[in-house]
Amino acid sequence: ETGVTQTPRHLVMGMTNKKSLKCEQHLGHNAMYWYKQSAKKPLELMFVYNFKEQTENNSVPSRFSPECPNSSHLFLHLHTLQPEDSALYLCASSQDRVETQYFGPGTRLLVL
Amino acid sequence: AQSVTQPDIHITVSEGASLELRCNYSYGATPYLFWYVQSPGQGLQLLLKYFSGDTLVQGIKGFEAEFKRSQSSFNLRKPSVHWSDAAEYFCAVGPTNYGGSQGNLIFGKGTKLSVKP
Repeated sequence: ETGVTQTPRHLVMGMTNKKSLKCEQHLGHNAMYWYKQSAKKPLELMFVYNFKEQTENNSVPSRFSPECPNSSHLFLHLHTLQPEDSALYLCASSQDRVETQYFGPGTRLLVL
Repeated sequence: AQSVTQPDIHITVSEGASLELRCNYSYGATPYLFWYVQSPGQGLQLLLKYFSGDTLVQGIKGFEAEFKRSQSSFNLRKPSVHWSDAAEYFCAVGPTNYGGSQGNLIFGKGTKLSVKP
């Protein structure tokens, strides 16, 4: 595997479910990001991890819970989501915080 | 406030025609500049970036972009568009030094490109 991978690619969940999104980067980078992309909106940065430490949480609701066990893996745990949370969730990584970000293919989430 | 403007939401060009996608930014200092492309249902792929040096940068897939400091612009160009170029294009700016929450990429809203046969 090369680059940034995300699983699953598609996810349908009910509002009472708990699920997790996984991201893995094979680039040796130190920083990882979660973005949300909704229709007709710019990309929204959700969380940033630098050297496994969370450095930013952009006022994201607590029903989204990130986890970064090491510099290569990033998870987004989901629980009691709302239909408006349906979106494409993108993971990215970069060597340092100001370096080029490389994106994964995304997880398309539908909340029913 | 820092911002990126892509004034064209949707552009349609004929295959073989030239293309220019506009990007203007508002930033406190000269930022790093990026163009990404996104095919339907996919993630963002880096086309090219400007960090310093020559203001005309070459990217993948035959794209190029020119940084014009006086106009705060970073327009993307391609001399001859192929049907496979149909996608959404995002301009982004980022800081040259990390400064807390100011150290994030700022994306434009994107320009959707359609290609006529």
